[in-house]
Amino acid sequence: QKEVEQDPGPLSVPEGAIVSLNCTYSNSAFQYFMWYRQYSRKGPELLMYTYSSGNKEDGRFTAQVDKSSKYISLFIRDSQPSDSATYLCAMSEVQGAQKLVFGQGTRLTINP
Amino acid sequence: GAVVSQHPSWVICKSGTSVKIECRSLDFQATTMFWYRQFPKQSLMLMATSNEGSKATYEQGVEKDKFLINHASLTLSTLTVTSAHPEDSSFYICSARDRGRSLAFFGQGTRLTVV
Repeated sequence: QKEVEQDPGPLSVPEGAIVSLNCTYSNSAFQYFMWYRQYSRKGPELLMYTYSSGNKEDGRFTAQVDKSSKYISLFIRDSQPSDSATYLCAMSEVQGAQKLVFGQGTRLTINP
Repeated sequence: GAVVSQHPSWVICKSGTSVKIECRSLDFQATTMFWYRQFPKQSLMLMATSNEGSKATYEQGVEKDKFLINHASLTLSTLTVTSAHPEDSSFYICSARDRGRSLAFFGQGTRLTVV
């Protein structure tokens, strides 16, 4: 079993739809949760990060963490074609020289 | 803020030669830098973790003599692919961890093609 599980997709939705991306994990020591967006042939770009459980909203993006279920989500409202990319979840334990553990990434396409 | 610059963005080299890739944190101090390799349509595979001033820690299966990592300062890490072969062709991405936070920021990536 992988430490972090993420459905690779691909996921295709019409423009304007609400997108839900999810990851599950097995390591209860994870405290920091991040979502990265990666366009083709580019490095990942940090979108959202949360510490411990709860919600965080930034514009059209909302990140949710449910540590009791070991489940995190990223919601994209009013999706745009420019949101088409691969979305990677990542997690780490406490602050320090700790490596990130990534999900496989979900390929998302928003159709005009 | 939090800009990581990786150079070059792409490189083509002949088999048997060495290639150096640079990773710089432009506006923050990075005590830790990570080097990843990414195959098409796959996630990032961590190759090694480097801390400023100390030797890099390599992941299992990664040849340390082939992928030389130097982290000489709080803003610069380099990855040298020595005696490159076609199977080393890949997308290499660096990441720098902000000293004050548990956040990692990525470079733009380097596409290496060995012919």
